[in-house]
Amino acid sequence: SQQGEEDPQALSIQEGENATMNCSYKTSINNLQWYRQNSGRGLVHLILIRSNEREKHSGRLRVTLDTSKKSSSLLITASRAADTASYFCATPVTSGTYKYIFGTGTRLKVLA
Amino acid sequence: KAGVTQTPRYLIKTRGQQVTLSCSPISGHRSVSWYQQTPGQGLQFLFEYFSETQRNKGNFPGRFSGRQFSNSRSEMNVSTLELGDSALYLCASSLQGAEAFFGQGTRLTVV
Repeated sequence: SQQGEEDPQALSIQEGENATMNCSYKTSINNLQWYRQNSGRGLVHLILIRSNEREKHSGRLRVTLDTSKKSSSLLITASRAADTASYFCATPVTSGTYKYIFGTGTRLKVLA
Repeated sequence: KAGVTQTPRYLIKTRGQQVTLSCSPISGHRSVSWYQQTPGQGLQFLFEYFSETQRNKGNFPGRFSGRQFSNSRSEMNVSTLELGDSALYLCASSLQGAEAFFGQGTRLTVV
């Protein structure tokens, strides 16, 4: 079963609105990463949040981590058409390695 | 600083052939991992190398293999290609304990 699962699977919003996507995972982790993927291209790293952090910001992105609920959320504020992409969370299977489990992703569409 | 470079970007092969994909990590990164992405299975871990040693392996058949060289560059090889091997193959590099950065991928089509 997937370690990381994103919710919702698809999201369509108007430009300027905020987009929130959630990720749940099953086992203890020491970090969680969020990535963006434009259609058929490579993954772009957005944010890494460590297990001892509760919230992290990067520009218009805000990531929260709740280790008690084994969940994370990614908030994109004031969305733009260029934010249209798939967003994935990734969690390490084994601490200290890069064997990551990716969720199925949230497909975000921002309408101009 | 140059990013992760994967070559070739696109590849078309025939069933039964073999293929070698290459990944050059970010300078200074010693960890390289490989993933397969398909519409049906999503992103699946293939293997991870650190300092020329395979540190982890995913649940793929033995037709999938890889290696890492002393300069941290990595190759993966798929032998006896099947139609189901058509996918985007992604390579990621990282410093120990830090973010993993991905290349643009190699799109493999098996016909």
